[in-house]
This record gives sequence, structure tokens and C-alpha cells, in this order.
Amino acid sequence: GENVEQHPSTLSVQEGDSAVIKCTYSDSASNYFPWYKQELGKGPQLIIDIRSNVGEKKDQRIAVTLNKTAKHFSLHITETQPEDSAVYFCAARRIVSWGKLQFGAGTQVVVTP
Amino acid sequence: DTAVSQTPKYLVTQMGNDKSIKCEQNLGHDTMYWYKQDSKKFLKIMFSYNNKELIINETVPNRFSPKSPDKAHLNLHINSLELGDSAVYFCASSQDRHGGLDGELFFGEGSRLTVL
Repeated sequence: GENVEQHPSTLSVQEGDSAVIKCTYSDSASNYFPWYKQELGKGPQLIIDIRSNVGEKKDQRIAVTLNKTAKHFSLHITETQPEDSAVYFCAARRIVSWGKLQFGAGTQVVVTP
Repeated sequence: DTAVSQTPKYLVTQMGNDKSIKCEQNLGHDTMYWYKQDSKKFLKIMFSYNNKELIINETVPNRFSPKSPDKAHLNLHINSLELGDSAVYFCASSQDRHGGLDGELFFGEGSRLTVL
């Protein structure tokens, strides 16, 4: 089955700086890679996703990059703000019949003013 | 309007008791899930139902039994609660267009279960 590793487990950044979270996956057939953000006391929420036919995707201050050869994908947050403080989860899945979404262990991001 | 709502939000109970968590979604989605989040924030899928049919059943003790009376509801019943069952349980739903679970997951706010 798929195994997703996520690093770092915690990340502290100054407001305005950039944050990068990295994930690796084991199943070369995985082709869908979403990122979820979980704020304190809430459920995770999708913030961006990428499919394996695309190398990079951007949405305002967040971007995701995918290296299929190395089986790496990363989340980049630029100009961080205090409201970016949350736990971020990467995930991977094959888009086949009832393919399960496998989550990474999460990264606690703290943005200090 | 809450899209995925689950009750109760907090549940404190003694070892050996039986408890249920209820979940309802008003998004019209076909697929619903139960996830368990442990104290280290790790999210692990437990069950998934599509149109009331069980499609994912992970390695979960038999003490956990999901029930889906209709596609908008997925309840979780837990028998003989143990200390290790303490966690936050999340319900989620998605609309999967290709039978491939490729839809965005919409999570509820979680139910924190504490077993004493």
C-alpha cells in the first residue's frame, strides 16, 4: 500500500517569511496529491491539490510542486501570515476504483508576528 | 448551514461502556467516511460508505461498527470502550464522479472521545 512521509513535523516561521513542507510517497502509481489545512478545533480542509500530469500549481500565496521521478511533492507558502498557523497534511492516492487517500503525519506550522 | 455535522462534539466515558457518534451531511454527497485522529494528529481512515454500501473497512477492531441508514448519514457505534480508543473521530463526505474516491473530502468538526 501507499506510504506518505512528511517533513518537518513542526515549523516555526516569522511573519512574512516563506514556509516549505515536503512529502515523499512510495507508490509510483499514485497520481493525485492534495494538501489539507487543519485549524485548531476544526476538521481538515482542502487548500490545494495537484495531479500527476502537472508539475506545479499555484493559488495566490500557496503553491505545490510535484517531482514524479523522485516521488516528492512540496507545499510552499509565501508571505506567511498569523492565520497560516495550523497543521498541514499532505496526502496521496491512485485515482482508481475506491483507491484510499493516504495522509502524511502532518506539519504544525506556527507563524510568529 | 453546517455541511458535515457530527454529534456529540465531546464525549467522556468509562472503559467498558458503549457509545455512538452520529454524522449527517447536507451536501448531497454519495460517499461518507470515518477517520480517527490520534494524539499525534495522525489521520487514519477507518470506514467508507458509498450510497449506503461499505467500500472501505480498514483493520479496525470489531468493537467499531458503522451504520449508514441513508447516504446522508453515517453513524459510528463503539462497544466495550478501551483507553486506546481515546481520540478525535472525524466524519467526512465526498462526491466521487468516477468511482475512484477522487472528490474533495469535506470534514466535520470532530468528536473528541475520552475514555477514562
